[in-house]
Amino acid sequence: GENVEQHPSTLSVQEGDSAVIKCTYSDSASNYFPWYKQELGKGPQLIIDIRSNVGEKKDQRIAVTLNKTAKHFSLHITETQPEDSAVYFCAATYNTNAGKSTFGDGTTLTVKP
Amino acid sequence: NAGVTQTPKFRVLKTGQSMTLLCAQDMNHEYMYWYRQDPGMGLRLIHYSVGEGTTAKGEVPDGYNVSRLKKQNFLLGLESAAPSQTSVYFCASSSGHNYGYTFGSGTRLTVV
Repeated sequence: GENVEQHPSTLSVQEGDSAVIKCTYSDSASNYFPWYKQELGKGPQLIIDIRSNVGEKKDQRIAVTLNKTAKHFSLHITETQPEDSAVYFCAATYNTNAGKSTFGDGTTLTVKP
Repeated sequence: NAGVTQTPKFRVLKTGQSMTLLCAQDMNHEYMYWYRQDPGMGLRLIHYSVGEGTTAKGEVPDGYNVSRLKKQNFLLGLESAAPSQTSVYFCASSSGHNYGYTFGSGTRLTVV
């Protein structure tokens, strides 16, 4: 089955700096890659996603890049703010009709004021 | 618009007891999922459903059963709870393949 590795497990940055989280996947059939943000005591929330026919996608301060050949994708957050502090999960979804996602183990991002 | 609602939010069980976790969504989504979240292990899929009346096993199905009698509800049952089932359980729904999930707020279960 699919295996997703996520790095780093923890990341601390100063407010205003950029943060980058990287994920690799194993199954070349995966074609949908969402990213979720989980705040303390809450469920994960979808913040951005990318499909395999696209190399990059941006939404304000957040961007995601995908390299299908190398089987890796990354989340980029620019001009970080304290409210960006949370756990971030990447996921890879099989090219099947069940929409099942395999998740990375998460990255705890801390933005210091 | 509530999205995905999970009940209860917290529960403590004794080993061997049974319970049912309820998940309800009001978005008319076809796909529903149950995940468990353990420290340092991300989210692991327990069971899922691609439509009313259908269920299938995920990555870690042992000790759990599910039912989807109505499209909007997805129930997760523990027949005989074990301490290894202490976890936070999340329900999620999706409108279909290659669409993101909407998660509930979770159920924190402790088995003593």
